[in-house]
Amino acid sequence: QVQLVESGGGLVQPGRSLRLSCAASGFTFSNYAFHWVRQAPGKGLEWVAVISYGATNKYYADAVKGRFTISRDNSKNKVFLQMNSLRAEDTAVYYCARVADEGVYYGSGSYLQYWGQGTLVTVSS
Amino acid sequence: HSALTQPTSVSGSPGQSITISCTGTNSDVGGYNYVSWYQQHPGKAPKLVIYDVDNRPSGISGRFSGSKSGNTASLTISGLRAEDEADYYCSSYRSGDTVIFGGGTKLTVL
Repeated sequence: QVQLVESGGGLVQPGRSLRLSCAASGFTFSNYAFHWVRQAPGKGLEWVAVISYGATNKYYADAVKGRFTISRDNSKNKVFLQMNSLRAEDTAVYYCARVADEGVYYGSGSYLQYWGQGTLVTVSS
Repeated sequence: HSALTQPTSVSGSPGQSITISCTGTNSDVGGYNYVSWYQQHPGKAPKLVIYDVDNRPSGISGRFSGSKSGNTASLTISGLRAEDEADYYCSSYRSGDTVIFGGGTKLTVL
């Protein structure tokens, strides 16, 4: 079955960097796009970034553009989120999510069908 | 970009029906039929309950339904059950190949 497992979260000081990983299994990884979605403590869901199945297309929320980079390694079945210049407002649980259909990252079939359990990132001095 | 607008909370008694609205703009909800809804219980990951405005994934109860009119999408849950108590989020594709979520609605089953 489809499984997504995030890792790499933790406590980090403002201005520092952190790299999150999402290990996927149970499907042909290279055929699917992935998103990162975050949720600050007690707050709602906030979309962060998306990467297409071939990594050709990457898009970011304005709040993280220029600081965060999404990437993937199709040989290791992993998606990454490199987070630089972290701020207190980046504190959140970060979820990795897979789209429903192969080969798409927007439009029909691009809804988030599978989610990981999340990894907590706390930015504090 | 601000979030899609949802009511902060809704409530209903067991067996009743409730509707949660989700209002956006012509650049997201109104411009595309790519609205999805997610259910989230405390401490858990979100779960897809509706996609592409009015489609239910396999395994989701027929008590869940979705619709859209103009810039507003809606999620209706009929025959409310205690286990429906959760937070609900709408989401839409937004022009520019991005995604936007609603602020979330807390459903209380009285």
